Amino acid sequence: DGGITQSPKYLFRKEGQNVTLSCEQNLNHDAMYWYRQDPGQGLRLIYYSQIVNDFQKGDIAEGYSVSREKKESFPLTVTSAQKNPTAFYLCASSLAGDSYNEQFFGPGTRLTVL
Amino acid sequence: AQKVTQAQTEISVVEKEDVTLDCVYETRDTTYYLFWYKQPPSGELVFLIRRNSFDEQNEISGRYSWNFQKSTSSFNFTITASQVVDSAVYFCALSEGTGNQFYFGTGTSLTVIP
Repeated sequence: DGGITQSPKYLFRKEGQNVTLSCEQNLNHDAMYWYRQDPGQGLRLIYYSQIVNDFQKGDIAEGYSVSREKKESFPLTVTSAQKNPTAFYLCASSLAGDSYNEQFFGPGTRLTVL
Repeated sequence: AQKVTQAQTEISVVEKEDVTLDCVYETRDTTYYLFWYKQPPSGELVFLIRRNSFDEQNEISGRYSWNFQKSTSSFNFTITASQVVDSAVYFCALSEGTGNQFYFGTGTSLTVIP
């Protein structure tokens, strides 16, 4: 089945540690996105990539980093510089990075910093 | 300023009641796209509908219907004869023709009581 997978579903980390969240899609989509969701808030864009080896910062990129070495993969690293990393992280993809195409979402990763 | 406003934070209805979720947007673009997503307790956002700014025709899909009114910058979502499975958080989103970013509202949490 085509779709987006995110792993792990739950992740715990100690303060000061970097952690990498995985996102893989087999939809052959060009564009991929990372969002952060906090309780009572909408989705906020962290980073997005419209094509392999290229990515742009979203609204809240500070403390995060990404890579796009393969079309199907867009991992997100939450660094120790991120002040409040506990949140629900959602990865999405779309056919192309334009305004028309709907985004398809993965199941999310819930990160808790202890 | 918020580009997408969902003023209803939480709504509770009894099963079989109709319910309308409000969405008000703000943009200066003449070309834009509006979306509705459903987020069940599992966390994954599910795409429901896309509407472009040039098509004000209302749409019906089973028990779901959408009312798009450019005059009031609204794109409201109605569920007829609600069911327990409709319980979820619903997000409205805007994508502007001049950009490639989605702007999400803060979501409306709908609880359908059996």
